[in-house]
Amino acid sequence: QVQLVQSGAEVKEPGASVKVSCRTSGYSFPTYSMHWVRQAPGQNFEWMGWISTGNGDTKYSQKFQGRVTITRDTSATTVYMELRSLKSEDTAVYYCAREEANGRPDHFDTWGQGTMVTVSS
Amino acid sequence: ENVLTQSPGTLSLSPGERATLSCRASQSVSSNYLAWYQQKPAQAPRVLIYGASSRATGIPDRFSGSGSGTDFSLTISRLEPEDFAVYYCHQYGSLPATFGQGTKVEV
Repeated sequence: QVQLVQSGAEVKEPGASVKVSCRTSGYSFPTYSMHWVRQAPGQNFEWMGWISTGNGDTKYSQKFQGRVTITRDTSATTVYMELRSLKSEDTAVYYCAREEANGRPDHFDTWGQGTMVTVSS
Repeated sequence: ENVLTQSPGTLSLSPGERATLSCRASQSVSSNYLAWYQQKPAQAPRVLIYGASSRATGIPDRFSGSGSGTDFSLTISRLEPEDFAVYYCHQYGSLPATFGQGTKVEV
């Protein structure tokens, strides 16, 4: 079955970086793009960026431009999200979510289980 | 960005009752690319509706979506105990993708 399995919880100090992985299985990796979305405690979902798993193209939210990098390893069918210069406001659950790459916008049909990132000194 | 505003914030209902949730967009949602998700505590969201009115695979027919342009709604015809959760709308027609702030359906 389709699975998106994310890496475990992280605790980081302000100014550090975090890299969260999203390992996929159960489907053809290049046929679905991957998005990263975060949800701070008690807050709304925030879209961070997207990667085409087929050709590696990326697009990022202006809010995170310059601080976030999304990459993929096609041999490992895994997508990564790195966030740098962490601040306390980056404390959130980070989700990967897949979108069918069919040439038009599509909904996020499967989500990872979420990774809690805590930024604290 | 296309801001989505959901109402009400909380809906207090009993099992068997009908729930109607609203989602209003600040700009027209391109091609009605609007989805609804259900989220339970400590779980990832699960898609219920996409394309404003299409039910996702495995979703019971008591869930229905409607609307177009800037006004959308999710209706749960008869609430089951497992339906008490938080519901979010999501537009994916333009980047950045955006989400409503959620409606909590509680007993």
